[in-house]
Amino acid sequence: EAQVTQNPRYLITVTGKKLTVTCSQNMNHEYMSWYRQDPGLGLRQIYYSMNVEVTDKGDVPEGYKVSRKEKRNFPLILESPSPNQTSLYFCASSLNTVGGGAHNEQFFGPGTRLTVL
Amino acid sequence: DQQVKQNSPSLSVQEGRISILNCDYTNSMFDYFLWYKKYPAEGPTFLISISSIKDKNEDGRFTVFLNKSAKHLSLHIVPSQPGDSAVYFCAVNTGNQFYFGTGTSLTVIP
Repeated sequence: EAQVTQNPRYLITVTGKKLTVTCSQNMNHEYMSWYRQDPGLGLRQIYYSMNVEVTDKGDVPEGYKVSRKEKRNFPLILESPSPNQTSLYFCASSLNTVGGGAHNEQFFGPGTRLTVL
Repeated sequence: DQQVKQNSPSLSVQEGRISILNCDYTNSMFDYFLWYKKYPAEGPTFLISISSIKDKNEDGRFTVFLNKSAKHLSLHIVPSQPGDSAVYFCAVNTGNQFYFGTGTSLTVIP
């Protein structure tokens, strides 16, 4: 089954304790991205990756890191989480972003609810 | 700065009638416009998209209209069904970046 998986689904942590949210896709997609969803703000792009070893900042990258060592995996790293990073996080992937249609149709994971105390 | 705005947080429609969801954007250089649907406790799922060179795209009950002069995008659902009740996000794509609206919660009343 074609899917994007994220782990963990729920996480409660404390300020300053490093954490990683994993994301994996099995569709051989080139493009992967992380979003956070907050009430009244919709989905905001944190980081994206166009292919292995190619990553770039989205709209709200502060406080986050990513890596893309393999095509299928795109972990999100919070080196020193703070309460303002409490949010619902989504990982997404698409074929690429060239040409529209199926190319930039993103498949989303189920989300990770993060609470930073 | 919100690149994409959905000014109606919620919308209620009777089953069988038309649902019209609206979206405004700021930048005339966006390449593609997309709509996603989201159910509670799930990730968004792609619904329909349109290129900036077109003004209409249809897929079954869903039609997206693009008015470039007004920088306005709309999604029409006809006929609306109870299973369409969800949050709808419009999104725009330029290069490798995506910008999403704040969402409109649609309730279709049986």
